[in-house]
Amino acid sequence: ETGVTQTPRHLVMGMTNKKSLKCEQHLGHNAMYWYKQSAKKPLELMFVYSLEERVENNSVPSRFSPECPNSSHLFLHLHTLQPEDSALYLCASSQVFSSGEQFFGPGTRLTVL
Amino acid sequence: GIQVEQSPPDLILQEGANSTLRCNFSDSVNNLQWFHQNPWGQLINLFYIPSGTKQNGRLSATTVATERYSLLYISSSQTTDSGVYFCAVEGSARQLTFGSGTQLTVLP
Repeated sequence: ETGVTQTPRHLVMGMTNKKSLKCEQHLGHNAMYWYKQSAKKPLELMFVYSLEERVENNSVPSRFSPECPNSSHLFLHLHTLQPEDSALYLCASSQVFSSGEQFFGPGTRLTVL
Repeated sequence: GIQVEQSPPDLILQEGANSTLRCNFSDSVNNLQWFHQNPWGQLINLFYIPSGTKQNGRLSATTVATERYSLLYISSSQTTDSGVYFCAVEGSARQLTFGSGTQLTVLP
């Protein structure tokens, strides 16, 4: 148990669906992250939210939309996804952005049909 | 951006054996972490070690920042050590960059 939880753990969706992934951290951290892990590829940073700023990987398609309502919660809204978006989506948090140890949630395994 | 190379990509051991995993990186780093990813996808923090040496039970790690590498040592391996080991570094780009991992299989 790392102090970072994610729901759902598994998600199957069609290309026309809209769904959201949820992440919650109970560590009192001020920065949260979304990563994508595709088969046979290293983890790829998608988005960062902190008290000071939001950072995003410019290669992430607009069909992925993050939302961070407060420092403990992070969402990833999904719409009109493609089969190649099937992957493990991991949430992480750290005390501050760009410094210190990151702790990861268990991930959401997404399958797009 | 910073490049991270891990070796070996795959490693098969007999239970009880020792092993060394290596992580090379291409630039100076502010942060280096070692993770173990279990079969269910959970990344478990092993070490936060931008420099120096740390030990935790059968595991230890050493980072030589000036020579741009880190080593993870696993002694007396157990079947529960199986999984993928990732090295991740943070350089001037202020984000963690992950290596491709070492897939470790420990046979009973």
